[in-house]
Order: sequence, then C-alpha cells, then structure tokens
Amino acid sequence: AQTVTQSQPEMSVQEAETVTLSCTYDTSESDYYLFWYKQPPSRQMILVIRQEAYKQQNATENRFSVNFQKAAKSFSLKISDSQLGDAAMYFCAYRSAGRMDSNYQLIWGAGTKLIIKP
Amino acid sequence: DAGVTQSPTHLIKTRGQQVTLRCSPKSGHDTVSWYQQALGQGPQFIFQYYEEEERQRGNFPDRFSGHQFPNYSSELNVNALLLGDSALYLCASSPFGRVNTEAFFGQGTRLTVV
Repeated sequence: AQTVTQSQPEMSVQEAETVTLSCTYDTSESDYYLFWYKQPPSRQMILVIRQEAYKQQNATENRFSVNFQKAAKSFSLKISDSQLGDAAMYFCAYRSAGRMDSNYQLIWGAGTKLIIKP
Repeated sequence: DAGVTQSPTHLIKTRGQQVTLRCSPKSGHDTVSWYQQALGQGPQFIFQYYEEEERQRGNFPDRFSGHQFPNYSSELNVNALLLGDSALYLCASSPFGRVNTEAFFGQGTRLTVV
C-alpha cells in the first residue's frame, strides 16, 4: 500500500522569504501523480501544484515549485516570496495513475501548518 | 459555476444517531469521492461513486454507506454514530477516466458527535 509522510507539523517563514515543505512517499508503482493542496481556515482543499511521475521536469506554478526526486521518493514544495495569504495547512497527496477506477483515490500526508510572519 | 457544494456546513449529533451528508458535484463531473478528515490529520478515503455505484471503498466499516443519484449528486450516511466519527467530511468531484484532471473539493461538513 502507498503511504505519504510529512515530517514537519509546522513551519514558519518571514513574509517575502522562501520556505520549503517536505514530503516523502512510498510506492511500488511507476506511474502516479503527486499533489500539493492548500487548506485555509475556510476548509476547502485547493490544488497548489501537480506533478506527473513520468515527467522529469519539476512542476512550477508562479511562486510555487516542486523538487521531485523519484528515486528518493521525495516531493518537496518551495514557496517563494511568501505572502500572508499563503498561511494555511499544506497537504501532500498521492494518486495512482495505472487504473481508471483508482484515479481519484487520493492518499494524504498528515499536513504541515505554514505560518507567515509579517 | 458553483463548484462542489456540501450541506450542511455544521452538524451536531448524539451518539447512536444516524446522519446524512449531501454533496453536489461541479458541473461536468460524474464521479464523487468522500473523505473523512479528523482534527489535525490528513483526509482518509471513504468511498467513491460513479454511475450510481460504489466503485472503491477505503477502510471504513459498513456503518458508512452512500448513494449517488442520476444527477450525480451524492449522499454519505453514517449509522450508529460514535464519538470517533467527529470529523470534517469532504466531498470531491471529478470526471471519470480523465487521469490528467484534478479533483475539486467542497468546503466540507463539520460533524460533531456528543
């Protein structure tokens, strides 16, 4: 079975600085997707960034980028120029890609609380 | 587009009671998944519905059941509530078979069992 581990319960960063959130996972599959979701106090999960395992290039979305190390099974999120609105819980999630009926079963880490200091 | 909507937003129930939570998927989505998120934890997959059938199920007891309607909306039912069922229940919708698309989430229903 696949597992996702986030070892940082809480991280804090000064506004405008850069912070990196860590995520490791365990799987025997070769084809999968990895995600970072943000959950603000409003509770709605919002997709931050997605990485396809077959792509070697790291995904980037504006101030958000990932460092995907497939062999090490590591998937970290870097947030540049941190803003107050980035404060939230951040979850790393895994999804198999090999079977259509498992497409949307997401396996989640425990989350990292990100605090932005003004 | 209203996105994924869930109702109610908050609910308080007594141990032993039954509860029904509701979810309307995003327009164009035909698959609904339910997750339980205990306080301070990541979500846990309960089950997924497509074409009005349960397609996948996580490690949850039979007290958790669901239904999907022809308009793709879905209900999550929990019988014989336990204190440990207190959690945020999230609904996610997606288009079946499109592996390169994301799931969209509702704002959840906060269930408190007393």
